[in-house]
Amino acid sequence: AQSVTQPDIHITVSEGASLELRCNYSYGATPYLFWYVQSPGQGLQLLLKYFSGDTLVQGIKGFEAEFKRSQSSFNLRKPSVHWSDAAEYFCAVGVMHYGGSQGNLIFGKGTKLSVKP
Amino acid sequence: EADIYQTPRYLVIGTGKKITLECSQTMGHDKMYWYQQDPGMELHLIHYSYGVNSTEKGDLSSESTVSRIRTEHFPLTLESARPSHTSQYLCASSGRQGRGYTFGSGTRLTVV
Repeated sequence: AQSVTQPDIHITVSEGASLELRCNYSYGATPYLFWYVQSPGQGLQLLLKYFSGDTLVQGIKGFEAEFKRSQSSFNLRKPSVHWSDAAEYFCAVGVMHYGGSQGNLIFGKGTKLSVKP
Repeated sequence: EADIYQTPRYLVIGTGKKITLECSQTMGHDKMYWYQQDPGMELHLIHYSYGVNSTEKGDLSSESTVSRIRTEHFPLTLESARPSHTSQYLCASSGRQGRGYTFGSGTRLTVV
């Protein structure tokens, strides 16, 4: 069965420092991969997605992620964190069913990011 | 501008009351989803629909029910609210394959 693992429950970084949030997935074929961000009391907002092609994907708010097939990973990065980046981050994997329809997304349990001034 | 709308944003209601959480999307998406999420916790899929007159239960057992009479509308109903139903409920939709989900802002439900 497909699964998504976010190993870090909570990460704290200093403002201006670089950030990497880890995501590992389990799936037999090439999945669709997503990162979402959730501010307190809000819904989830799509940061970026990977379907195929270039394995380094650029997203909104200065985020990027790299798909590494050999490691089954899709880690999220940002070179310089801002206080407004403090939020919950969810990785998700989408699988393709036979016939080309997309199955339900599978979400990781999330990583909470805190930013120190 | 949001393309998927959830109402109400916040709801405090007494035990035993019947409630309906509304979710509407203007994107013509076929697939719609309801998630339950406690604050700061993971998402639990409770219902989904792949189109009109199609509804399925998700991974987490829920006492709620859903209906899908129109493409754009996917309401969730609790016949008799209990304190254990206190949570945030997120609605989402998806269209073309591989595009991911669009989420609403959520309904924060408190049952007292």
